[in-house]
Amino acid sequence: NAGVTQTPKFRVLKTGQSMTLLCAQDMNHEYMYWYRQDPGMGLRLIHYSVGEGTTAKGEVPDGYNVSRLKKQNFLLGLESAAPSQTSVYFCASSFIKRGGLNEQFFGPGTRLTVL
Amino acid sequence: EDQVTQSPEALRLQEGESSSLNCSYTVSGLRGLFWYRQDPGKGPEFLFTLYSAGEEKEKERLKATLTKKESFLHITAPKPEDSATYLCAVQASGANSKLTFGKGITLSVRP
Repeated sequence: NAGVTQTPKFRVLKTGQSMTLLCAQDMNHEYMYWYRQDPGMGLRLIHYSVGEGTTAKGEVPDGYNVSRLKKQNFLLGLESAAPSQTSVYFCASSFIKRGGLNEQFFGPGTRLTVL
Repeated sequence: EDQVTQSPEALRLQEGESSSLNCSYTVSGLRGLFWYRQDPGKGPEFLFTLYSAGEEKEKERLKATLTKKESFLHITAPKPEDSATYLCAVQASGANSKLTFGKGITLSVRP
């Protein structure tokens, strides 16, 4: 089991460029998430999905779009990158355990720099 | 609004010097509290789930405990390889799908 994988690991963009980050999981999890992590801010939820074909906004969704066409994949898109989107992006997946507990498992991250 | 506060922000210990990390939370009914370990340049790694006040979980030199207002991560006789950032997150009763994370505690253990 590879768990949660993310592509690419690093990326540098110029302001206004677009890109897509790919997250894949092989644990058959229903739920998937995109977070960003910035110094002093902790992990903040961007968008999430509770199943194939569904998406929902998190805490900081502006400037990002997502798609969940297949259960195992969750894509995060930046249509017009801005320097404020320089961050480390983490994908996570989970299933709801007995008792409703949501144990999330994280990928290795993508470090994005927007110049 | 759910809130998680972790303290201290950073902690430096000598090898073998036991200590505790604190996670205080405010949530409208707690479904679960989670501890993660994050090494530099890596994603968070799941450590523990706690869901009932008085509950304890152990793994090697780590023990997590839970009360109605806070959780502690006790580190007994730490080693340099325990150096990492430790994250705490809470899940509210009404929220199946979302966690609220604290900012983390950076632990450094000197040999």
